[in-house]
Amino acid sequence: GAVVSQHPSWVICKSGTSVKIECRSLDFQATTMFWYRQFPKQSLMLMATSNEGSKATYEQGVEKDKFLINHASLTLSTLTVTSAHPEDSSFYICSAVGRNYEQYFGPGTRLTVT
Amino acid sequence: LAKTTQPISMDSYEGQEVNITCSHNNIATNDYITWYQQFPSQGPRFIIQGYKTKVTNEVASLFIPADRKSSTLSLPRVSLSDTAVYYCLVGDPNDYKLSFGAGTTVTVRA
Repeated sequence: GAVVSQHPSWVICKSGTSVKIECRSLDFQATTMFWYRQFPKQSLMLMATSNEGSKATYEQGVEKDKFLINHASLTLSTLTVTSAHPEDSSFYICSAVGRNYEQYFGPGTRLTVT
Repeated sequence: LAKTTQPISMDSYEGQEVNITCSHNNIATNDYITWYQQFPSQGPRFIIQGYKTKVTNEVASLFIPADRKSSTLSLPRVSLSDTAVYYCLVGDPNDYKLSFGAGTTVTVRA
């Protein structure tokens, strides 16, 4: 089946620094990827839609200058959390749309900002 | 995106059948019903998808009545490893954006 990976699986960073999270579709090409955020004991919240070769579309309330998304190829999308603060600590999950329109989710990245 | 309502939690025992009902009164003609499973600190995993009547795969069955205003995910003979959060989503497959509700936390006990 289709596999989506994320790197790193967990990261700890200091407040004010930037962190990049990678999302890769390993055995299929994905023109569309999504980024979600999930706080403890809460549901997934869609942050943005990442389209290969074009600018990302952000959901209402998500700061595009803080969460930079780059979808440089058909198998890679990156999310950079700029000037991270403790309130950005969360579980970040990406998904990629496969050929049969199914969404495949990555394993998630746990970000802790100290 | 159609709003969904499902129970917050359900308890069961190993070997029992678990049925989770999801209400989606405002489902649109082009909408499909999709269920995902999520374990702690993992991404959601696709379980099953359907449009009407009944769909069955190797892990679950999905029952959808004629009016499509609700659906029931059936997990046969659950085991401890089925303890997870189950999400019901309703949407047009051509519109890839997914809106996750609160989900149902299923706890399976020995």
